[in-house]
Amino acid sequence: AQRVTQPEKLLSVFKGAPVELKCNYSYSGSPELFWYVQYSRQRLQLLLRHISRESIKGFTADLNKGETSFHLKKPFAQEEDSAMYYCALSPGMNTGFQKLVFGTGTRLLVSP
Amino acid sequence: ETGVTQSPTHLIKTRGQQVTLRCSSQSGHNTVSWYQQALGQGPQFIFQYYREEENGRGNFPPRFSGLQFPNYSSELNVNALELDDSALYLCASSLPRQENTEAFFGQGTRLTVV
Repeated sequence: AQRVTQPEKLLSVFKGAPVELKCNYSYSGSPELFWYVQYSRQRLQLLLRHISRESIKGFTADLNKGETSFHLKKPFAQEEDSAMYYCALSPGMNTGFQKLVFGTGTRLLVSP
Repeated sequence: ETGVTQSPTHLIKTRGQQVTLRCSSQSGHNTVSWYQQALGQGPQFIFQYYREEENGRGNFPPRFSGLQFPNYSSELNVNALELDDSALYLCASSLPRQENTEAFFGQGTRLTVV
């Protein structure tokens, strides 16, 4: 079964504090992992993907296959980071089509 | 380059009715996927269309069906609406799977079944 778990519905931090949004997954093969973000009144958009190994808006995420985790981190949160964050998994290439399996999302609230 | 657009933005239907939702894919994208997002949940994959054919389906009953047109736009049809079909329906377009591409989402259609 393919499943993505985001244990926190809400994460509230102060500006400048470190942020870690947790994501665990279950999948028997080698998935692609993504973080999508939805800012207020905007559409869902890709934040980053594990194969890119890049930092976007100061966020990074490392795929830990041993712990089946893909936690999203940022050392210093900004108010504009307040949004809904979804972790998503895409099964490996041999499925023949691409689908995304999403977690239930974590709302990040950064207070001044 | 235009983004993914969906219509209508909102609609209300009565249980048992049928509904059609529409999606225009991003310029150059020939793959369209549909997702259902219930309140408080993440999006759930319904199905995907590539070159006018369904090439992948999630755990949704046959009363959820779709079409893709030669210009890559797509429709989601839901027959015999149930109250639990009330949700935000998202369309996402992308390039084919093997090109390892990003999915771009529309703003969604909010369907309420009463």
